[in-house]
Amino acid sequence: DVKVTQSSRYLVKRTGEKVFLECVQDMDHENMFWYRQDPGLGLRLIYFSYDVKMKEKGDIPEGYSVSREKKERFSLILESASTNQTSMYLCASSRTSAQETQYFGPGTRLLVL
Amino acid sequence: SQELEQSPQSLIVQEGKNLTINCTSSKTLYGLYWYKQKYGEGLIFLMMLQKGGEEKSHEKITAKLDEKKQQSSLHITASQPSHAGIYLCGADTSGTYKYIFGTGTRLKVLA
Repeated sequence: DVKVTQSSRYLVKRTGEKVFLECVQDMDHENMFWYRQDPGLGLRLIYFSYDVKMKEKGDIPEGYSVSREKKERFSLILESASTNQTSMYLCASSRTSAQETQYFGPGTRLLVL
Repeated sequence: SQELEQSPQSLIVQEGKNLTINCTSSKTLYGLYWYKQKYGEGLIFLMMLQKGGEEKSHEKITAKLDEKKQQSSLHITASQPSHAGIYLCGADTSGTYKYIFGTGTRLKVLA
């Protein structure tokens, strides 16, 4: 079974703090994704990585950066957290580029005060 | 408007009743994925459909992709409280890694 884990289920941070969200997958998947999920907006892609040290911007990359130093680990960084980044963050992984199922982690609910 | 429309947005049914959730795209679907999400948790993969006319089943849940590959339906037979949650469809409409997702259907099953 594919397993995707995320470092925290819940996080509370202050405006301006630097925030790290980590995601680890154990299936040797090439692709990893970060989404945020907001009511009425569905899932929106923040960043995507198709290999170690490779990344592509998704639909809403502003205010975020990512890091992929190892194949199994993909980190999302909020450089200076803002209240509009309060959201549910979901990490996913998949095997190849197209038409492969994305498997999701349990999510991190982030509250920025 | 959403590229991937789900209907209904929410559904309350009595235990034992059948129900259908629809997912409609304005573009051709290269792949259609159904997920279930329990409140406040991650997405659990249910089924993937790729071919027009394809139908798959998992326990009491059946999903179909229409011939034109622009709509999918998820049907639950004899619903149970354990079916409650949010059902999301995700789709590959460009033949790439970039999927789009519907906003979900919130299902409540009354015991």
